[in-house]
Amino acid sequence: AQSVTQPDIHITVSEGASLELRCNYSYGATPYLFWYVQSPGQGLQLLLKYFSGDTLVQGIKGFEAEFKRSQSSFNLRKPSVHWSDAAEYFCAVGAPTNAGKSTFGDGTTLTVKP
Amino acid sequence: EAGVTQFPSHSVIEKGQTVTLRCDPISGHDNLYWYRRVMGKEIKFLLHFVKESKQDESGMPNNRFLAERTGGTYSTLKVQPAELEDSGVYFCASSQGLAGGQNEQFFGPGTRLTVL
Repeated sequence: AQSVTQPDIHITVSEGASLELRCNYSYGATPYLFWYVQSPGQGLQLLLKYFSGDTLVQGIKGFEAEFKRSQSSFNLRKPSVHWSDAAEYFCAVGAPTNAGKSTFGDGTTLTVKP
Repeated sequence: EAGVTQFPSHSVIEKGQTVTLRCDPISGHDNLYWYRRVMGKEIKFLLHFVKESKQDESGMPNNRFLAERTGGTYSTLKVQPAELEDSGVYFCASSQGLAGGQNEQFFGPGTRLTVL
């Protein structure tokens, strides 16, 4: 069975500082990996995804994530956080046969200090 | 282009009552998914429609939950009778084409259900 762990429930960073959100997954083969963001009152928005190929993937809003098979991780990073990045972030894993059936982590809430 | 919409945005009902949630996917999207987030925990898959057919309903908690997708357009999720543990946020998502990870899922804003 596939599973996702986001170790950090809540993270606070200062505006302009760098950000890394952790995600560890469990899956028997190479999974599909996703990061979503949810702002208050909004649906989940896809930030980026990894299916295969280059292990460093670029997403929207200046985010990137690196797939590390040896560590079963898919951490999300941003070099300089903006106040508008405050939101809840979800890591998800999907099976290649049907990634629509995704397994999500518990989410990490990001607070940005001015 | 309109995104995925869900109605209502909030619903407060008493234990034992019936509630029906509605999801309107993006026009032309054959795949429609329901997910649920309970008590701020992980978002869990409930079921997947391809057009009007249930492709996978392995995540449905029990037979108090009934999902339909009439004519392959909008979908409803009925909870009857509702129990306290059904409280949570119900998300709907849709995607184009074949059921596969290559197609981005677009999520609605969710319906927050509170059962008292």
